Amino acid sequence: QKEVEQDPGPLSVPEGAIVSLNCTYSNSAFQYFMWYRQYSRKGPELLMYTYSSGNKEDGRFTAQVDKSSKYISLFIRDSQPSDSATYLCATTVIQGAQKLVFGQGTRLTINP
Amino acid sequence: GAVVSQHPSRVICKSGTSVKIECRSLDFQATTMFWYRQFPKQSLMLMATSNEGSKATYEQGVEKDKFLINHASLTLSTLTVTSAHPEDSSFYICSAAEYSNQPQHFGDGTRLSIL
Repeated sequence: QKEVEQDPGPLSVPEGAIVSLNCTYSNSAFQYFMWYRQYSRKGPELLMYTYSSGNKEDGRFTAQVDKSSKYISLFIRDSQPSDSATYLCATTVIQGAQKLVFGQGTRLTINP
Repeated sequence: GAVVSQHPSRVICKSGTSVKIECRSLDFQATTMFWYRQFPKQSLMLMATSNEGSKATYEQGVEKDKFLINHASLTLSTLTVTSAHPEDSSFYICSAAEYSNQPQHFGDGTRLSIL
């Protein structure tokens, strides 16, 4: 069993839809959770990071963590074609100096 | 803030050539940097953890004599692919964190093609 499970998709939705991306993890020692966006042929770009269970909002993006269920989500409101990318969830035990464990990544396409 | 720069972005070279990739933290100091490899449509695979002033820590299965890592300063880590062969063709990405309690930021990657 992988430490972090993420549905690879592909996921295709119409412009303006609410997108829900999800990951589950198995190790309760994971404390920090990140969502990265990766465009084709580019490095991952940090979108959101959080430590606590609950919701964290930044513009059209909301990250949700449920440590009791070991479940993390990213919601994108009013999705735009420019949101089309691969979204990677990542987690770690200690932030910064310790390696990240990534999900497989979900390929998302927003159709105009 | 927290910008990581990687150079070159693209390398095409003949088999047997050694290739050096640079990773720089532009506006912060990073005692730890990470090197990843990514195959098409797959997630990132950690190759090694680069520590300033000490030897890198390699993940299981990664040949340290093939992938030489040097972290000579708090803003620069280099990955050298020695005697590269076509199977070494891949997308190589580095990352760094500004502080020990901050998330990692990634460079834009280097696409390496060995002919």
